[in-house]
Amino acid sequence: AAGVIQSPRHLIKEKRETATLKCYPIPRHDTVYWYQQGPGQDPQFLISFYEKMQSDKGSIPDRFSAQQFSDYHSELNMSSLELGDSALYFCASSTHLGTGELFFGEGSRLTVL
Amino acid sequence: GESVGLHLPTLSVQEGDNSIINCAYSNSASDYFIWYKQESGKGPQFIIDIRSNMDKRQGQRVTVLLNKTVKHLSLQIAATQPGDSAVYFCAENTPVGQNFVFGPGTRLSVLP
Repeated sequence: AAGVIQSPRHLIKEKRETATLKCYPIPRHDTVYWYQQGPGQDPQFLISFYEKMQSDKGSIPDRFSAQQFSDYHSELNMSSLELGDSALYFCASSTHLGTGELFFGEGSRLTVL
Repeated sequence: GESVGLHLPTLSVQEGDNSIINCAYSNSASDYFIWYKQESGKGPQFIIDIRSNMDKRQGQRVTVLLNKTVKHLSLQIAATQPGDSAVYFCAENTPVGQNFVFGPGTRLSVLP
């Protein structure tokens, strides 16, 4: 069965650079969530989209933005990268807004040097 | 969720024994809960879920118990196997929230 696809799997950037992470949800899933997970920490909710519109916002820095496109894939754009942005970024998708199981991708590991 | 940084609570059990992992959730309005298993470098993997109109749900080798009075969730794993070694998270969802809030993880180590 198709799963959530994230790209790139690994990304290395310098401070103050920008990065873009992509997420392709499971087919027919209309909701996408972005989470950030630091080393040894629990996943922290960043932002979610339902039917291409932002549905909820968590602890996402102003330097970050995201959107969901007409084909339901989502992109997380990160600018003015800081060392503290180094983390695993997970995308999850579901069929129902906040009421169904979240299926997670394998994550994108961002390292900021 | 509240983070415990690099010092995750750890539960060590002998292979074949039963494991119980606990989670205290934060919002009394939360009505849907999921237990996730996360192996190193991988995304969280769904184990079992439960809605607030239930207090117990069983799966294959796993049981989730929900105590809404004290906002407590537990995951019981029967006959723990080496492949069960991972970090386990509970996640809660509220009726009005559009996201899942993760609790601090527990690292399960299965000893041979």
